[in-house]
Amino acid sequence: ILNVEQSPQSLHVQEGDSTNFTCSFPSSNFYALHWYRWETAKSPEALFVMTLNGDEKKKGRISATLNTKEGYSYLYIKGSQPEDSATYLCALKDNYGQNFVFGPGTRLSVLP
Amino acid sequence: EAQVTQNPRYLITVTGKKLTVTCSQNMNHEYMSWYRQDPGLGLRQIYYSMNVEVTDKGDVPEGYKVSRKEKRNFPLILESPSPNQTSLYFCASSRQGIYGYTFGSGTRLTVV
Repeated sequence: ILNVEQSPQSLHVQEGDSTNFTCSFPSSNFYALHWYRWETAKSPEALFVMTLNGDEKKKGRISATLNTKEGYSYLYIKGSQPEDSATYLCALKDNYGQNFVFGPGTRLSVLP
Repeated sequence: EAQVTQNPRYLITVTGKKLTVTCSQNMNHEYMSWYRQDPGLGLRQIYYSMNVEVTDKGDVPEGYKVSRKEKRNFPLILESPSPNQTSLYFCASSRQGIYGYTFGSGTRLTVV
């Protein structure tokens, strides 16, 4: 069974702070990595799909990097806003390219 | 609009009374999956399907059944629900390959 880990489990930051969190995965099973943003009472929404070692993706104030050789991805949020408060999930697609394994998520709270 | 439609959104039922949660997608996706979300446990996969008539168990399949007779539909069946199946359920679909999920809006099930 693939194991995808995320840290920290939860995070509280002040509005305007920049923050980052980590997704770790077994590098030998890598096919693709996805980041999702999951707000309370809503469904998870896709942020990034990452496939190549060294990939960097950006959407507004949120960006992500990928290191497939060492098995981790970072998600960065620059100048956090209260509307960034959500759980951020990463999911590994294994090297058969079929099934997803989700990490437990990092719950971010941005305080005004 | 491209979407995954789950019904019902909310359901309260009694122990032992068979129920079905429907899931339908209009994106011609090959891959569909069911997850449950419980506090502190993240998203756990129940069943998935790689195409019509192809289904497989996820991490927590006990007490659930699925079928995939048509590409667009992937219903989740609880033959004899028990209180430990009280949870928030998500259906999701994806194209084969590197692509991420589109999630349904969720079904909050309470079994008393």
